[in-house]
Amino acid sequence: DVVLTQTPVAQPVTLGDQASISCRSSQSLVHSNGNTYLEWYLQKPGQSPQLLIYKVSNRFSGVPDRFIGSGSGSDFTLKISRVEPEDLGVYYCFQATHDPYTFGAGTKLELK
Amino acid sequence: QVKLQQSGAELVKPGASVKLSCKTSGYTFSTSYMSWFKQIPGQSIEWIGMIYAGDGGTGYNQKFKGKATLTVDTSSSTAYMDLSSLTTEDSAVYFCARGAGDYWGQGVMVTVSS
Repeated sequence: DVVLTQTPVAQPVTLGDQASISCRSSQSLVHSNGNTYLEWYLQKPGQSPQLLIYKVSNRFSGVPDRFIGSGSGSDFTLKISRVEPEDLGVYYCFQATHDPYTFGAGTKLELK
Repeated sequence: QVKLQQSGAELVKPGASVKLSCKTSGYTFSTSYMSWFKQIPGQSIEWIGMIYAGDGGTGYNQKFKGKATLTVDTSSSTAYMDLSSLTTEDSAVYFCARGAGDYWGQGVMVTVSS
């Protein structure tokens, strides 16, 4: 199975700061059709995950432009500029290129 | 708007089975995929499998073959997941989600206990 390694495990931030989360895959996430199915989710306590970014860098409907996904191959990053209170929670990267689909272990974005 | 409404929490005995439902609205169910996920509280998320509502075709994570069975009822735009031979290791929150995960249900807690 594809292993997604997220760093850091926890990211303490001050509101208004920028935050950056890394997701590295044990193998390339480029599908045979040329697409890269790497997504980012935010899960707030007691809630379902919510899709933020799909196919590496595409913001899902309604997601603010302070969320920026980038990367290629097996190395990906989510940047959040100007962190706001509603951005706090656990971020997961997820790959849907290889069967079985897999998630990273999560990165907790929390206040300093 | 797209909505996925899951059935309520379940308390089941070891060895029993349970059937979870996910009723959808706001999009064309019959031409969409539905995924199911498992999350033990405090842990990451696992993908169980996916079903295409158009023909009932399924794909499963090898880990969950024999444990989970996915079905759909297109007449009611509802997806189902049967979990069989339950053990305490199956205690978790289970989510349904459209496609590979753009819209999610609220999750349902399944507790396996005698």
